[in-house]
Amino acid sequence: NAGVTQTPKFQVLKTGQSMTLQCAQDMNHEYMSWYRQDPGMGLRLIHYSVGAGITDQGEVPNGYNVSRSTTEDFPLRLLSAAPSQTSVYFCASSYSGDMGSSYEQYFGPGTRLTVT
Amino acid sequence: QQQVKQSPQSLIVQKGGISIINCAYENTAFDYFPWYQQFPGKGPALLIAIRPDVSEKKEGRFTISFNKSAKQFSLHIMDSQPGDSATYFCAASSDSNYQLIWGAGTKLIIKP
Repeated sequence: NAGVTQTPKFQVLKTGQSMTLQCAQDMNHEYMSWYRQDPGMGLRLIHYSVGAGITDQGEVPNGYNVSRSTTEDFPLRLLSAAPSQTSVYFCASSYSGDMGSSYEQYFGPGTRLTVT
Repeated sequence: QQQVKQSPQSLIVQKGGISIINCAYENTAFDYFPWYQQFPGKGPALLIAIRPDVSEKKEGRFTISFNKSAKQFSLHIMDSQPGDSATYFCAASSDSNYQLIWGAGTKLIIKP
């Protein structure tokens, strides 16, 4: 059981470039989410999904796209990278039932992104 | 309404002492309050969680105290150990939505 995996671990982009952060989980969790973590700001939700084909915006969705074609994968796309998107990105997954996000979330190891 | 305010930002405690981290919320619809622990270079991991039907929950050296009327909850770490040195996040959510709202985090250092 690998849990939640994320690739790459580190990435440097130039302003305006695009890229996709990969996230996969093998726990058959319906709920998956992407967060960004910045110093002094905790974790902020970017996008989330409650199942294949269903996505929704979180607190800070601008500049990011997601899709969910399978239960296992939930990639995050940066459309045109900006220095403000320099951050550590975490993917998480959890069971999804009738209690919203009130289940244990399992996090990946993170992707450290720098935009110059 | 959606915020969770966490304090202190950083905390230094002697080995064997009690570490206390506090959180306050405004949204009375919140009904799930987890604490996550994060070590450097790792993702957060669930430490302990509470629902408002109880005022306290204990798991080993970790205790959550919950005050519904004051809209506050806190994490107590008894007999703090150097291995407890990490960043701790409180969070809150309601069963009716899918967004976990996070505090800003507390960097805890336990001095040997």
